[in-house]
Amino acid sequence: AQKVTQAQTEISVVEKEDVTLDCVYETRDTTYYLFWYKQPPSGELVFLIRRNSFDEQNEISGRYSWNFQKSTSSFNFTITASQVVDSAVYFCALSDGYAGGTSYGKLTFGQGTILTVHP
Amino acid sequence: NAGVTQTPKFRILKIGQSMTLQCTQDMNHNYMYWYRQDPGMGLKLIYYSVGAGITDKGEVPNGYNVSRSTTEDFPLRLELAAPSQTSVYFCASSYNTDRDSTPYEQYFGPGTRLTVT
Repeated sequence: AQKVTQAQTEISVVEKEDVTLDCVYETRDTTYYLFWYKQPPSGELVFLIRRNSFDEQNEISGRYSWNFQKSTSSFNFTITASQVVDSAVYFCALSDGYAGGTSYGKLTFGQGTILTVHP
Repeated sequence: NAGVTQTPKFRILKIGQSMTLQCTQDMNHNYMYWYRQDPGMGLKLIYYSVGAGITDKGEVPNGYNVSRSTTEDFPLRLELAAPSQTSVYFCASSYNTDRDSTPYEQYFGPGTRLTVT
C-alpha cells in the first residue's frame, strides 16, 4: 500500500523567511510520480509540480524549489522569501505506478501542512 | 473555459437521505476523479473514471456510486447518507493519452461541503 507522510501539521513564519515543507513517501512501485498541490483559503486545489521517479534533479520555479531524494524517499518543498500570499495548506501526493502499463493517476495524499506567513 | 464545476457548493442532509453531487468539466479530459477531504486530513479517492462508460473504485468507495455517461459529466451519488459522510467533496479531471501512460496534473473543482445530521 502506498503512503505519504507530511510530518509538519502547521508551520508559522514571518514574511521573507525561507520555509521547507517535508514529504516522505512509501511505495513498492519502481516508477511513479510525485506531486505538490496548494490549497489556498478559497479551498480549490492548485497544481504546483509533477516529478518523475527517475528524475532526481532539483527543480526551481521562481521562489519555489523542490528536492527529490529517492534514497530517502523524500520530496521536500522550499519557499524562499515567503510572502503572505503563500499562506495555504500544501499537499504532497503520490501516483499509482505505471511500469509496464498505464497509470490511472490515482493519487495518495499526505495529511497536508498548514503554512501561515505573517506580515 | 470554466474548468471543473461542482454543484451544489453546500448541502445539509438528514441521515438516510440521498443526493447526487454534480461534476462537469469542459476541458475534454478523459480521466475524472472524486475525492473526499475530512477535517485536518488529506484527500482520499472515492471513485475514478478513465472514460465514458468506465468507472472503478478508489480507496473509500463504500456508500457511494458513480456513473460516466458522457466525457463531461461525472456525478457522485450518495444513497443512504450517514454522519460519516460529512466531508468536503472534490471532483478532478486530467488528460492522459494512450501513448504516454504517465499521470498528468489533475484540475480540481471548488468542492462541495456536505453535512449529514
